Parts: sequence; structure tokens; C-alpha cells
Amino acid sequence: DAKTTQPPSMDCAEGRAANLPCNHSTISGNEYVYWYRQIHSQGPQYIIHGLKNNETNEMASLIITEDRKSSTLILPHATLRDTAVYYCIVRPRGAGNNRKLIWGLGTSLAVNP
Amino acid sequence: NAGVTQTPKFRILKIGQSMTLQCTQDMNHNYMYWYRQDPGMGLKLIYYSVGAGITDKGEVPNGYNVSRSTTEDFPLRLELAAPSQTSVYFCASRLGGDQPQHFGDGTRLSIL
Repeated sequence: DAKTTQPPSMDCAEGRAANLPCNHSTISGNEYVYWYRQIHSQGPQYIIHGLKNNETNEMASLIITEDRKSSTLILPHATLRDTAVYYCIVRPRGAGNNRKLIWGLGTSLAVNP
Repeated sequence: NAGVTQTPKFRILKIGQSMTLQCTQDMNHNYMYWYRQDPGMGLKLIYYSVGAGITDKGEVPNGYNVSRSTTEDFPLRLELAAPSQTSVYFCASRLGGDQPQHFGDGTRLSIL
């Protein structure tokens, strides 16, 4: 089962881009990469996901390397409200693989004024 | 849509008591999940369901039971509460395919 490695903490200045890395070197071809964030102790909030191609939505961009062994979540203009724990998750396709969802400790991002 | 709704938000139990954590979703999602999160840790999957009438164990199922009689509801049952079950419990749902999970606001449970 693919697992992820993220730095435990990062800092970012308000208004600057926040680039959060994730290593998933054991990812297999049918596994998606998902990013969620958790503000304080609220329920995790979905940000973005991808399989092979780079993705962008209104919240962030996801850059996946060509070999798929790592990815980077980009918050283009971080605000104080982006201070949260960011989780990178890999999830296999197929109903029988739901039990293989593994949540690590994530990256605690502090956006500073 | 209200999304995923969990009740209660907070609860204190005595050792040995039982309770049911409620979770309901109004998005007609097939998949539903129960997680627990201990302080400073990531989420651990307790049970999940791929549809009404179908449930399966996750990573940490011991001490818990679930049922899925309807698409909307996925209650989590603690039969004999133990201090080790003090945690924050999150319910989530997902439509299917590559769609992401949607989470509730959590139930904070303390067992004393």
C-alpha cells in the first residue's frame, strides 16, 4: 500500500505562494493523489486530486512528477486562513481498497503576516 | 445541501457505558466512513460502507459496530466504552469513482 511522506511543518509569508511537497515513491499506477486540509480540529476539507496530469482549481494547483513518485500542492497566494494541517493521501481505485486509506501526520502550514 | 451531519458534537461517557454516534448525509453518496483522530495524529479508519446493507472493517474496528440500513445514515456504536476510545470521531461520505470524501464536523468523545 502506497504511503506518503510530508515535512512536519512549513512557514509561508502572507500573499506568497505556499509549495507543499509530498513523497509517494511506492505509488502504483491506479492510485490517485488527494490533498485535504484540516483547520484547527474541524473535519478535513478536500482541496484537489489527480492521477497523472497536473490539476488546478479555485483553491490550489497540484503538480505531479512524471514518474508519479512525488507531488506538490501550490497555494498561489496564501492567506492567514490557509493556516492548517495539509494531508497528502494516496487512494487505490476500486471499492475493495477503501480500507487502505492511510492518513499520515501531514504538514502543519503556518501563514505569517 | 447540509452535507455530512454528525451528532452529538460533544459527549462525556463513563467507562462501560454505551452510545451511538450519528452520521447522516444528504448527497446520495454510496460510500460512508468512520474515522477516529487522536491528538496530534492522522485519521484512522474504523469502518466503512460501500452502500446500504454493506459494511466492512477498517484499520481499527475493535470496540465498535456499525450498520447501514439506508443510504443516508451510518451510525457508529460503542458498546462498552473504554478510556482508549477517547478521541475525535469523523464521519465522511463519497459518491464513488475518483470523487473525494466529504467530512462532517466531528464528535468529540471523552470517556472517564
